[in-house]
Amino acid sequence: KAGVTQTPRYLIKTRGQQVTLSCSPISGHRSVSWYQQTPGQGLQFLFEYFSETQRNKGNFPGRFSGRQFSNSRSEMNVSTLELGDSALYLCASSSTPGTGGLDTQYFGPGTRLTVL
Amino acid sequence: GENVEQHPSTLSVQEGDSAVIKCTYSDSASNYFPWYKQELGKGPQLIIDIRSNVGEKKDQRIAVTLNKTAKHFSLHITETQPEDSAVYFCAAGNNYGQNFVFGPGTRLSVLP
Repeated sequence: KAGVTQTPRYLIKTRGQQVTLSCSPISGHRSVSWYQQTPGQGLQFLFEYFSETQRNKGNFPGRFSGRQFSNSRSEMNVSTLELGDSALYLCASSSTPGTGGLDTQYFGPGTRLTVL
Repeated sequence: GENVEQHPSTLSVQEGDSAVIKCTYSDSASNYFPWYKQELGKGPQLIIDIRSNVGEKKDQRIAVTLNKTAKHFSLHITETQPEDSAVYFCAAGNNYGQNFVFGPGTRLSVLP
């Protein structure tokens, strides 16, 4: 079974631009979570989608948004990029969250975003 | 909200020795505790997890122990090998589909 895939793997943008990252979960998985990883803040939860609905959201500004499609693929968007948005953005998928036990999350390789 | 601490931040061991990484958490509602290994340029990979209805779980050279009363859990790697060198993250979560909270990570170096 193929793992979680993320595209693109690398991105370079300038301040003020916007960016869209894509995540394809493991086949059959319906939950997708997004995380931001930086050396200073570590791994921080952005949001989680299940069946096209945002179920949970972390403490990030409204410039960070996401969506999930009917095939469970997910995108996240960051508008008005700031230098501090430079990070590795990770996507994780799981089959069924919150049903009698938090389900195992499987991570993709991440998208490395650099904001100049 | 949940807060997860992890120690040590760096750990160097000789090949063949054991390595132990410890995490503490704050939210008593947390009942799921995974451990991830992250190699350079890759996403975190689940290596073992434990749920709060068990105190210990083992998978070959890797074991995790959980003390819910004290709110801490530990990763034990025996007979370490150079390929175990990576950054290890613990995390804590609960039944209600809420986000994981990750520890800050431990950089493990296994010296040949």
